[in-house]
Amino acid sequence: EDQVTQSPEALRLQEGESSSLNCSYTVSGLRGLFWYRQDPGKGPEFLFTLYSAGEEKEKERLKATLTKKESFLHITAPKPEDSATYLCVTYNQGGKLIFGQGTELSVKP
Amino acid sequence: DGGITQSPKYLFRKEGQNVTLSCEQNLNHDAMYWYRQDPGQGLRLIYYSQIVNDFQKGDIAEGYSVSREKKESFPLTVTSAQKNPTAFYLCASRNPGQGSSGNTIYFGEGSWLTVV
Repeated sequence: EDQVTQSPEALRLQEGESSSLNCSYTVSGLRGLFWYRQDPGKGPEFLFTLYSAGEEKEKERLKATLTKKESFLHITAPKPEDSATYLCVTYNQGGKLIFGQGTELSVKP
Repeated sequence: DGGITQSPKYLFRKEGQNVTLSCEQNLNHDAMYWYRQDPGQGLRLIYYSQIVNDFQKGDIAEGYSVSREKKESFPLTVTSAQKNPTAFYLCASRNPGQGSSGNTIYFGEGSWLTVV
C-alpha cells in the first residue's frame, strides 16, 4: 500500500537546538518528494522538491535530503518563527498525491 | 502576482443548507483539487479536475459537488447531505504539462466552514 509516514508527530525544540524530521515513504515509482510548511489556519506553503536518492536542497535554516526510502528535513539553529507543521507529500504510480500526517514543530525562545 | 484565491475565509452553515466555496487561480494551471483537513489530521481529497468540463471523485466525495466550467475556477458546494461538514477546506492546483516542475502542487489559503 502506498504510504507516507512522518515522525515524530510533534517536536519541541529550544531556539538554536538543531534537529531532523523524518518522512518514510513506500510508493512505487517515485515522482517527486515534496516538503511543505503549514501555519495554523493557512494553506501549505511549498518548500522543496526532491526527485532522486542523494539529492539535497537548502533554504535558509532548512535542508532536505532524500534516500530510497526516506527523506529528512534538517533544521539548523531553529528560531521561533520556524514553528509550524511540516508536511511530506509524494505521488503514487497512479498520480494520486499521498500526504503524511505532518510533524508539528514548536521552537521556544 | 499569480496565485490561488479562496473565499470566503470563514463561512457558517445552518443545518440543511447548501454552501459554495470559491476557488480561483491565475496560474494557468490545468489541474485543480479540493481537500478537506480536520484538526490534527492529514489532507483528504474530495474532488479533482484535470481539465475544463471534467472532474473526478476523490476519497471523500459524498455530500460534495463541484463544477469546472472555466480553467481558472473550481467551486466546491457542500450539500446538506454532508453530515459532518465542519472543517478546513483547501483548494490547490498544478500544471501537469510542465514536466517535472509541474508535479509541484500549490495551495490556497483555505476556508473554514462551521455548521451552526
